Amino acid sequence: NAGVTQTPKFQVLKTGQSMTLQCAQDMNHEYMSWYRQDPGMGLRLIHYSVGAGITDQGEVPNGYNVSRSTTEDFPLRLLSAAPSQTSVYFCASSYSTGGVYGYTFGSGTRLTVV
Amino acid sequence: AQSVAQPEDQVNVAEGNPLTVKCTYSVSGNPYLFWYVQYPNRGLQFLLKYITGDNLVKGSYGFEAEFNKSQTSFHLKKPSALVSDSALYFCAVRASGGSYIPTFGRGTSLIVHP
Repeated sequence: NAGVTQTPKFQVLKTGQSMTLQCAQDMNHEYMSWYRQDPGMGLRLIHYSVGAGITDQGEVPNGYNVSRSTTEDFPLRLLSAAPSQTSVYFCASSYSTGGVYGYTFGSGTRLTVV
Repeated sequence: AQSVAQPEDQVNVAEGNPLTVKCTYSVSGNPYLFWYVQYPNRGLQFLLKYITGDNLVKGSYGFEAEFNKSQTSFHLKKPSALVSDSALYFCAVRASGGSYIPTFGRGTSLIVHP
């Protein structure tokens, strides 16, 4: 089925560990982005990409890295996990940056840092 | 700068009654407005959008939203609520033109009681 696939669905990390959250889409969308969702905070943009080889920071980029080597994939890397990064992470993609046609979201990765 | 407010953390409504989920916004120039729905343990799904034209926008699952420029509002409505409409609803706004990235609200939890 066409859409945005995120892996893993759940992850527990120890403080200081690193990991990569995977995101892949098969809709040939140029725009991809990562959000974190925290209670009472809504969705906050971490990083985004407008095409292969092009990335930029969102509202809350500290502690996260991204790269976009292909149109399909947009992994999010946590370099040294901290408890403050406990959250639900969503990847989203769209034909356009502004989401005029709507964003397609993945089902999320629930991350707990202990 | 652009911002969106969802003044109610939770809305309770009886099944069969009309529902309204409120959204107000602030943006320079004309707005593009969006509603998304998130069911438990799922990613967000696009419901509807206002770009231009008729102030009453119809979307998926029988939902509609009314754009009111003078009140800077974009309230989500449905004439007859279903228990299955219970979910988290997000409003988003961006400035028209260019490639602005939408800003999401904090979300409103809709609970429809049988």
